[in-house]
Amino acid sequence: EPEVTQTPSHQVTQMGQEVILRCVPISNHLYFYWYRQILGQKVEFLVSFYNNEISEKSEIFDDQFSVERPDGSNFTLKIRSTKLEDSAMYFCASSDDGVPTTNEKLFFGSGTQLSVL
Amino acid sequence: AQSVTQLDSQVPVFEEAPVELRCNYSSSVSVYLFWYVQYPNQGLQLLLKYLSGSTLVKGINGFEAEFNKSQTSFHLRKPSVHISDTAEYFCAVSGENSGYALNFGKGTSLLVTP
Repeated sequence: EPEVTQTPSHQVTQMGQEVILRCVPISNHLYFYWYRQILGQKVEFLVSFYNNEISEKSEIFDDQFSVERPDGSNFTLKIRSTKLEDSAMYFCASSDDGVPTTNEKLFFGSGTQLSVL
Repeated sequence: AQSVTQLDSQVPVFEEAPVELRCNYSSSVSVYLFWYVQYPNQGLQLLLKYLSGSTLVKGINGFEAEFNKSQTSFHLRKPSVHISDTAEYFCAVSGENSGYALNFGKGTSLLVTP
């Protein structure tokens, strides 16, 4: 079965450093998402991306965050200057269909655990 | 905007016993409801969904959930659990007000023991 791949599975960084979290969505998918889960809290929506631009973003997704699809296969989340509170599990997801009622076609990766020290 | 509350952070249960994981939602518009499961070291996997129609929905691995509009609930049930059901379970909602992005609950950790 096709799957969304995220690397690395665990990343440790110093506060103030830039990090890039990488995702390889399913190959024929067109819609891409980032979610995150701070330990003990809800999984939160960050951003959705379609046709090489952000289609929707949450309040969490401020200027220190950016997303990019640098080539035909990768989808990255960059955090420009990490803060302690950015420590979380970050999930990438992709879908071949952006129609709302078919969120069941959303496939999630296994996540990258980001630890900011 | 829509939101969900998962009332139990942890649910311990013995193998072959029934289980119910509770989820309540809040919304002023029509919603779509989902349950996801996360096994250790894996991604989120869709268990089942309610979009419209029959309020009792059946999912994978013998799970089912019932949409109750009057109680604004979408509880997940299984009549007999297995050790392999040990995982984190997330209830999620989406709808017009959220731009159809998924809003997740905090998750319920189901621990099945022999």
